[in-house]
Amino acid sequence: EAGVVQSPRYKIIEKKQPVAFWCNPISGHNTLYWYLQNLGQGPELLIRYENEEAVDDSQLPKDRFSAERLKGVDSTLKIQPAELGDSAVYLCASSSSLNEQFFGPGTRLTVL
Amino acid sequence: GQQLNQSPQSMFIQEGEDVSMNCTSSSIFNTWLWYKQDPGEGPVLLIALYKAGELTSNGRLTAQFGITRKDSFLNISASIPSDVGIYFCAGRSGNTPLVFGKGTRLSVIA
Repeated sequence: EAGVVQSPRYKIIEKKQPVAFWCNPISGHNTLYWYLQNLGQGPELLIRYENEEAVDDSQLPKDRFSAERLKGVDSTLKIQPAELGDSAVYLCASSSSLNEQFFGPGTRLTVL
Repeated sequence: GQQLNQSPQSMFIQEGEDVSMNCTSSSIFNTWLWYKQDPGEGPVLLIALYKAGELTSNGRLTAQFGITRKDSFLNISASIPSDVGIYFCAGRSGNTPLVFGKGTRLSVIA
């Protein structure tokens, strides 16, 4: 069974530029999560989808971050414009229940 | 909000030694999960616990859901070099989002 797929694995951009990350969850997993992981920290939830509906986006900075999961399968997370402090690893996870989440390899973003 | 304290922050051990790490919560949890993260990869689920007092093993790993429901422990027996990585605890109560600890960085000296 294929795991959670994320792309790109690495992204380097200049500040004020836009950036987008893509995630394809494990087949059959209705719940999809985007997490932010800063260096030396655990993952922090940005947004959770149940199928195509965002059911928890309270931690998503909505002034510059947006996400979509139009057909309830793959998802895109966008930052526009990026700031220096956005440099981090962006992890996608999926689950078929609220408990056991399976993570992708992450996208490491560097904002210069 | 909920907070998790994970300790120790880092450990240096000799190959073959046993390892213990723990996590405490400021509130009661009904789920505890333990993950391992290798450099450049996402966290991988090791053990899931759903019941107070539950003790679950996965090979050389054993985790326990504390009786108070505010803590959990992970033990690794007879450590080997591939155990190197960062171990995260995560927990939740009810339908709240999963909360992660800051991780325990394990280094194994051969």
